[in-house]
Parts: sequence; structure tokens; C-alpha cells
Amino acid sequence: DIQMTQSPSSLSASVGDRVTITCRASQTITTYLNWYQQKRGKAPTLLIYDAGSLQSGVPSRFSGGGSGTDFTLTISSLQPEDFATYYCQQTYSTPRTFGQGTKVEVK
Amino acid sequence: QVQLVQSGNEVKNPGASVKVSCRASGYSFKSYNINWVRQAPGQGVEWMGWISTYNGKTNTAQKFQGRVTMTTDTPTSTASMELRSLRSDDTAVYYCARESTSTRYGMDVWGQGTTVTVSS
Repeated sequence: DIQMTQSPSSLSASVGDRVTITCRASQTITTYLNWYQQKRGKAPTLLIYDAGSLQSGVPSRFSGGGSGTDFTLTISSLQPEDFATYYCQQTYSTPRTFGQGTKVEVK
Repeated sequence: QVQLVQSGNEVKNPGASVKVSCRASGYSFKSYNINWVRQAPGQGVEWMGWISTYNGKTNTAQKFQGRVTMTTDTPTSTASMELRSLRSDDTAVYYCARESTSTRYGMDVWGQGTTVTVSS
């Protein structure tokens, strides 16, 4: 199975901050990497697919990058509605493993 | 609009089975496969498996093999997931989610979640 490791597990930030979350795969997944946002009590929502493609309706302050084993999710200017937990997921092979999550909290 | 609507919350005794359903609407059911994902209280999300709505082929995470059955019913555009021999650590919110080839199998539509509580 491909293991997905996110860092950090949590971070504290302020509105307007630039935030970067990293995700590392235990083996190459080319660009089969997705990012999800989950707010408390809600289902996750797809933010980024194919490592760097913005899902329809997602604000442009979100961006993704990377290929192979190392990936990033960047929020260019954190907004109040962005305080949430973020997960990466590989869809290169089954099982389609998720990272453990990164909680973005108010500083 | 495109949506997945799941069945209601369940409370089960240890050793019992639970079946969660997921009804799709607003799109062609057979054009998108369905994944099942769960989330234990306070924990991250865990992929359970995937079913092809086209031919019924499934792929189940090894952890759940032998305990999970995923099915689809095309006339009602419904996918279902049955989990047997329930244990307390199966207490979780269970989600169905549509995957799309256009999003590199990213899950672009999710159900609202079904809470399954396993307790004696």
C-alpha cells in the first residue's frame, strides 16, 4: 500500500497568512494526488485534483503543486472560511490512501 | 442538481450487520464509480473500497475484505455498502462519494454521511 504522510499535523495561522501544507507519498504516484477540505461535521470537498488542477468553484487562492512523491497545497491568503482540516489522497493505485490530515486553526 | 443522498443513522449491537445506501441523482449513474469512505470520531478519513457502477466490479481495502459487500442497483441509481460482524471500532460516519475520470479519480460529489454507532 502507498503511505501518504502530511505535515504539519496542525498549524496556527491568521487571516491573510500564506499557508503551505505538504504531502509525501511512499512511492511515486506521478500526479495522481488530490486535496480535500473538511469542515467540522461536514463531508470533505474536493479542492485540487491531478496535483495542481483547481476543482470547479474553488477559489483561486488555493493552489497545488508537485509530482512523483512530494506535493504541496498552498493557500495564498487565508480567509476565515478556510479554517478546516485538509487531506491529501493518492488515486494512483488501490487502496486509495489518504494522509492523516492537517488542521488549520486560528492563531 | 447533482447529489448523493445517504440513508439514515444507525445504531447496532456488536456482531450485527449494517447496510448503508446512497442514492444518486442529477447525473448518469453508470458513468461514475462510487467509493466508500469512513471517519471514526475525531479521526481522519479512511478509504474502504470502490465499486464500478458500470459492471459491478469492486475493490476493497484489505482491512475490510470478507466483511464488506458493495452493490449497486441501476434502476434506482443506488449504491449500497454492507458491513458485517460489527465491532465498537466500526463506530464512524460512513460516506459514499462519486469519483470521476476527469478529476483523476478525485471524489467530486459526496453524500451527507451516515453515522453508524456500534454499542451494546
